[in-house]
This record gives sequence, structure tokens and C-alpha cells, in this order.
Amino acid sequence: AQKITQTQPGMFVQEKEAVTLDCTYDTSDQSYGLFWYKQPSSGEMIFLIYQGSYDEQNATEGRYSLNFQKARKSANLVISASQRGDSAMYFCAMRNQAGTALIFGKGTTLSVSS
Amino acid sequence: EPEVTQTPSHQVTQMGQEVILRCVPISNHLYFYWYRQILGQKVEFLVSFYNNEISEKSEIFDDQFSVERPDGSNFTLKIRSTKLEDSAMYFCASSDSSGRLQETQYFGPGTRLLVL
Repeated sequence: AQKITQTQPGMFVQEKEAVTLDCTYDTSDQSYGLFWYKQPSSGEMIFLIYQGSYDEQNATEGRYSLNFQKARKSANLVISASQRGDSAMYFCAMRNQAGTALIFGKGTTLSVSS
Repeated sequence: EPEVTQTPSHQVTQMGQEVILRCVPISNHLYFYWYRQILGQKVEFLVSFYNNEISEKSEIFDDQFSVERPDGSNFTLKIRSTKLEDSAMYFCASSDSSGRLQETQYFGPGTRLLVL
């Protein structure tokens, strides 16, 4: 069975600092995809970044990058130069090739202060 | 930019009543999903739908739940007889395919359902 673990319930960072949000996963599949979503206080789910299990390079998308360590089964999100607008809940999710469902972790609340 | 829309944004209902949650997926998307998020908890998959059929469903999606694409634009989730534990935010999502791992599921803003 697939599982996503996010061990940090809350993270606090100052503006302009970088922050890493941890995500580890468990799957027996060789082919899978990892996603990060942002959920602001307004409640919507915003897609941030994707990493495929066969991708050799870490994904990047603007200020977001994914530190993918396949052997450790980790897919940490790195946000560079944090902004107040980054304050939100962040979810790591996974799906495998055979399925359609995204399996989510419990999320990490990020608070960015000035 | 195209987006998934959901109505209503909030719904309050009495236990045992039927509710229908509505979604308009992104227009050229072919795969549709429902997820739910109980307050303060993680997002949970309910069901995926393609070509007028359920592709995959979770254990949560029991006989009380059904999905339908009644026309070319809407995608609905029906809860036949609501229970207190059905209170949650319900998210609709869509993607233009599901065969590729990297296919992103785009989420709507959610419907907050409260069962009294």
C-alpha cells in the first residue's frame, strides 16, 4: 500500500529565507509520481510541482524545487526566498502508474513572518 | 486560465437528507475526481471517473455515494443519506488524461458540507 508521511505539523520561517518541507513515501511500485499542493486559508488546492520516479533531475518551478532522493524515498519541497503569501498548508501526494488516485500526506503548515 | 468550479461553496443539511454537489471540470479534461477533507485532516480520495464510468474508488465511496456526468459539462457527487461524519470539504478535480504519471489533477475551490 502507498503511504505519504509528513512529519512536520508546523514550520516557521522569516521572509526571504529558504525553507524545506519534508515528505517521505512508501510504495512497492517502480513507477510513480510525486506532487506538492498548497492550500491557503481560503481552502483551495493549488498544484505546485511534480517529480516522476524516473526523472533524473530534481524538479524546479520558480521558487519551488523538489529535493528527490529515491533511495531514501524522500521528496522534500524547498521554497526559496519565502514570502508572506507562502503561508499555507502544504501537502505532499503520490500516485502510481496503475492508479488514478492521489494519496496525500497529513500536510505541513508553513508560517512566514516579516 | 481555465479552472474547475464547484457549487455550492457551502451546504448545510440535516442528517439523512440527500445532497448533490456539483462541479464543472476544465472543459477539455477527460478525467474527473472527487476528494474529501475532514476539517484539519488530510485530503482523501473518493472516486475517479472516465468515459462515463468509475475508474477507481476508495473504501470511503460506499453505496451512499454516487457520481454522474449528467451533461457535457457537469460532474456531480450525490450522497444519498447523509451522516454526521460526512461533514467535510469536498473537492472536485480534473485532468486531461490519466495515463501519464505527470498528469496534474487541478482542484476546484471545494464545497464545505455540514451535516447537522
